[in-house]
Amino acid sequence: DVKVTQSSRYLVKRTGEKVFLECVQDMDHENMFWYRQDPGLGLRLIYFSYDVKMKEKGDIPEGYSVSREKKERFSLILESASTNQTSMYLCASWGLAEGMEQYFGPGTRLTVT
Amino acid sequence: GENVEQHPSTLSVQEGDSAVIKCTYSDSASNYFPWYKQELGKGPQLIIDIRSNVGEKKDQRIAVTLNKTAKHFSLHITETQPEDSAVYFCAASTWAGANNLFFGTGTRLTVIP
Repeated sequence: DVKVTQSSRYLVKRTGEKVFLECVQDMDHENMFWYRQDPGLGLRLIYFSYDVKMKEKGDIPEGYSVSREKKERFSLILESASTNQTSMYLCASWGLAEGMEQYFGPGTRLTVT
Repeated sequence: GENVEQHPSTLSVQEGDSAVIKCTYSDSASNYFPWYKQELGKGPQLIIDIRSNVGEKKDQRIAVTLNKTAKHFSLHITETQPEDSAVYFCAASTWAGANNLFFGTGTRLTVIP
């Protein structure tokens, strides 16, 4: 089974802090994604990466950056956390050999106070 | 870009009844339409998908229909059971190498025993 793990289930950070969210997948997938999930807004794509060291902006990249130094790991970085970044963050991965399914991690609920 | 609308936002049904969730999309180039189920505390998981060359697909109690002309697709769950209670997301995608999914806003389905 594909497994996508996220470093934390719950995080509480203060405004202005630098925040790292880590995601690891164990299926050698080329593509990895970061979404945020908010009530009434569904899932919105922040960034995605289709290869090591490659990244593309999604629909809402402002205030975020990403890093992909190794194929299995994709990090989301909040350079200076703000209260409007309080949300559920979901990581996903997808590989060409897996058909069209994206595999999601369990999510990290981030609260910025 | 693609815009996916999903209705209703909440749906309650009696156990054994059917549930229908509807989505519309805006980009006529979209050719892949998955449905994801998110249970409490978990990430979304693919339950069924359909491609634009097919009008209907069924898998046991769940089915998806697609009307390309009207740009809408629907999820049908028959003989609902309490374990069907979850949030369901529709999505649309064009095949662009990285499988970028545009998600609907979600439907919270509650099956009342």
